[in-house]
Amino acid sequence: NAGVTQTPKFRILKIGQSMTLQCTQDMNHNYMYWYRQDPGMGLKLIYYSVGAGITDKGEVPNGYNVSRSTTEDFPLRLELAAPSQTSVYFCASRRLSEIQYFGPGTRLLVL
Amino acid sequence: GQQLNQSPQSMFIQEGEDVSMNCTSSSIFNTWLWYKQDPGEGPVLLIALYKAGELTSNGRLTAQFGITRKDSFLNISASIPSDVGIYFCAGSTTTSGTYKYIFGTGTRLKVLA
Repeated sequence: NAGVTQTPKFRILKIGQSMTLQCTQDMNHNYMYWYRQDPGMGLKLIYYSVGAGITDKGEVPNGYNVSRSTTEDFPLRLELAAPSQTSVYFCASRRLSEIQYFGPGTRLLVL
Repeated sequence: GQQLNQSPQSMFIQEGEDVSMNCTSSSIFNTWLWYKQDPGEGPVLLIALYKAGELTSNGRLTAQFGITRKDSFLNISASIPSDVGIYFCAGSTTTSGTYKYIFGTGTRLKVLA
């Protein structure tokens, strides 16, 4: 099993550009999460999903969108990138237990 | 929203020393989790605590779930250089059957050989 994979690893965007951060897990986990981690801070929940077709907002959803068409994939969409979205983005998944498995992260810089 | 206060924010210790860090909240959590994050990596779960008062060990790590369910601590005994990293606590609550996690701001540990 590859676990949770995220692409790209690093990206630079110009203000106003859009992009999709990809997240895939091969553990057949129902629950998936997107977090952002700002420098020197903990993780803030952006969006989460309890299963295919079901998503909900977390603490900081503004400026982002998600979809969950399959169990494996949970992409995060930035429509109009802003400097405030410069951060490291982590995807996580879990099954019934509370143990979340995190991906390696995507580092995003918006200039 | 809910916040977790984690302390200390950072610490330098000598190799072989014991380390203690804690996490407090104004809210009650059902579960406390402790993660470690290495540079450039995602967090990895160290210990999960499910009951108030529970004391759990994982090798040189020991964590406890506070009786009030509003705090937790993590101890590392006989620290080694590979213990370097950021340690995060996280509290879990359940709303309508869905778990949500609140993360602390982290304790940055540096071990001096």
